[in-house]
Parts: sequence; C-alpha cells; structure tokens
Amino acid sequence: QKEVEQDPGPLSVPEGAIVSLNCTYSNSAFQYFMWYRQYSRKGPELLMYTYSSGNKEDGRFTAQVDKSSKYISLFIRDSQPSDSATYLCAMSPLSYSGAGSYQLTFGKGTKLSVIP
Amino acid sequence: EAQVTQNPRYLITVTGKKLTVTCSQNMNHEYMSWYRQDPGLGLRQIYYSMNVEVTDKGDVPEGYKVSRKEKRNFPLILESPSPNQTSLYFCASSLFRAGFAGELFFGEGSRLTVL
Repeated sequence: QKEVEQDPGPLSVPEGAIVSLNCTYSNSAFQYFMWYRQYSRKGPELLMYTYSSGNKEDGRFTAQVDKSSKYISLFIRDSQPSDSATYLCAMSPLSYSGAGSYQLTFGKGTKLSVIP
Repeated sequence: EAQVTQNPRYLITVTGKKLTVTCSQNMNHEYMSWYRQDPGLGLRQIYYSMNVEVTDKGDVPEGYKVSRKEKRNFPLILESPSPNQTSLYFCASSLFRAGFAGELFFGEGSRLTVL
C-alpha cells in the first residue's frame, strides 16, 4: 500500500463550481499536511498547511484533516480558470521525531481544469 | 525577489558524462532539498540538507551526490548519468522553523535527458 494515495484525475469543472480534492494516507505518524499547487512547466508552490486535525481557511481555499480516517481534503470555492493546475498533497511527521521527520511524502497530484 | 534558482533549466547529455545541476537560494533558508518528478511516480526526494555540511538521503539517492558547503548553495551531482535518471528535477528550500520542513519554496525545475 502506498503511503499517500491521490486520485490523478483529470478533474474538469465549470467556473464557479466547488472543487474537492482528496488524499488518503496510511502512516499514522504524519502530523503536518500540506497542499501545493503546480502550474504547467513550473515548480510547486505551497498553498497552505495544517498541523494535526481540523480545518484551515485561506480565502477561497479550505483544508480539512481527519486523522481518524487518515483522509485530507482541499476545497476550492468559486473556482476560477486560474485555478487550473495540478494539486499535490504532502505530509510529514512531527519535527524532531526521529528518522524521516524532515522528509515530505507527496501524493502524485490531481490535475484540475476549470472551464470558463 | 525571494527565489530558488536552478541551472541549467534544460540539458541533454550522454550516459556516463558527469554533470552538476546548481541550486541557489537567496532567502537564508536552513533547509534545502532535491526532488525528481516522473510521470506516474510523482515527486520523490533525492537528498536533503538541514544546514551547512549536514546532508541526508531521501527516498531515491542512488546515482546522485550532493554537497552543502555554503548555506545558499546545494548542487546536485550525477557522477555517471544513466538513462533512468532522465527526469524533471526540482530544488527546494525551507526556513525550517521549529524543525518543520514543509514550507518549501521550489525552483523552476531542470529537465534532464540522458541518452
């Protein structure tokens, strides 16, 4: 079983739709959960991160973490054509927790297209 | 402007010809890392460094070397490139606040083809 599973899509939605992107994971040591956005021919850029369980909101973006289900989500409200990109989830253990605590494990990314 | 700069951006080389991909960051970040991105495999970490003279292996270190002699620079060395190292390479850096490496700033990528 892969440590982080992410549906590669592609996902195509009309402009203005609510988008839900998800990742599941198997490593219960993961404590930090990140979402990166990668435009074509560019490096990934960090959208937001959360620590442990709960929700975090930043503008049109909301990240949710459910550690009991080992499931994380990114919601995009009022999606725009400029949101068209590949979205990567990433996770890491608690800092200073031993081997691997300074490494991120990435999902394979979900390609999103927002159609005008 | 805060940035991570990689060079070269594109390179075609032949098997066995040593090459170096340079990476430099101007944000005074403690943590730097190299990733490769391949279709169907996603981003995989090659090596990382938590500070000058401190480096450690990631998930796919075979065939690569790194060094961290200065805080701002973290070159990736392919001593004897092989075709299976054909990939898109990203360098990234992080402030590493409280040991958290997840706030990564990525470079634009270096596309390497080994014939």
